[in-house]
Amino acid sequence: IAGITQAPTSQILAAGRRMTLRCTQDMRHNAMYWYRQDLGLGLRLIHYSNTAGTTGKGEVPDGYSVSRANTDDFPLTLASAVPSQTSVYFCASGKQGAQAGELFFGEGSRLTVL
Amino acid sequence: AQSVTQLGSHVSVSEGALVLLRCNYSSSVPPYLFWYVQYPNQGLQLLLKYTSAATLVKGINGFEAEFKKSETSFHLTKPSAHMSDAAEYFCAVISGGYQKVTFGTGTKLQVIP
Repeated sequence: IAGITQAPTSQILAAGRRMTLRCTQDMRHNAMYWYRQDLGLGLRLIHYSNTAGTTGKGEVPDGYSVSRANTDDFPLTLASAVPSQTSVYFCASGKQGAQAGELFFGEGSRLTVL
Repeated sequence: AQSVTQLGSHVSVSEGALVLLRCNYSSSVPPYLFWYVQYPNQGLQLLLKYTSAATLVKGINGFEAEFKKSETSFHLTKPSAHMSDAAEYFCAVISGGYQKVTFGTGTKLQVIP
């Protein structure tokens, strides 16, 4: 089934550790996004990429990095995790142009930093 | 930057009653606006989208939304709530030259039998 795959689905991590959340899509969408979802705050954009080889910062980029080596993959890395990064992380992809904003989401990765 | 504000973090309606979820946008130009739905432990799914073609937009599962420029609103409605409509609903807008999708804080809909 076409869509977005995120891994891991859940992870408990010690503060200070490095963590990479993986995201793969098979829809050949140019645009990809990482959001974090926190109670009462909705979804906040961390980083985005409009096409392979380019990335941009969202609302809350500090402490996170991304790469976009190819169209399908868009990993999110926490270089040194802190408790405030405990959240549910969603990867999304979508087309641009007339279909801009029509996003497809993964099932989420629940991260707990202790 | 364009943004959206959702009024009411929780809304409760009886089964069969009208659903009204409120969203106001801030934009100096006509925006692209969206409603998404999130069921428990799932990612978001697109309900409907406004792109200035028509002010009344129909989406999936019987939902619709009306764009009102004079009120800077894009409220989501459904004539008759069903138990399966219980979910969290997010209003969203495109900003940053169509590169970024910004979400509201969400409204959790509870449907009472």
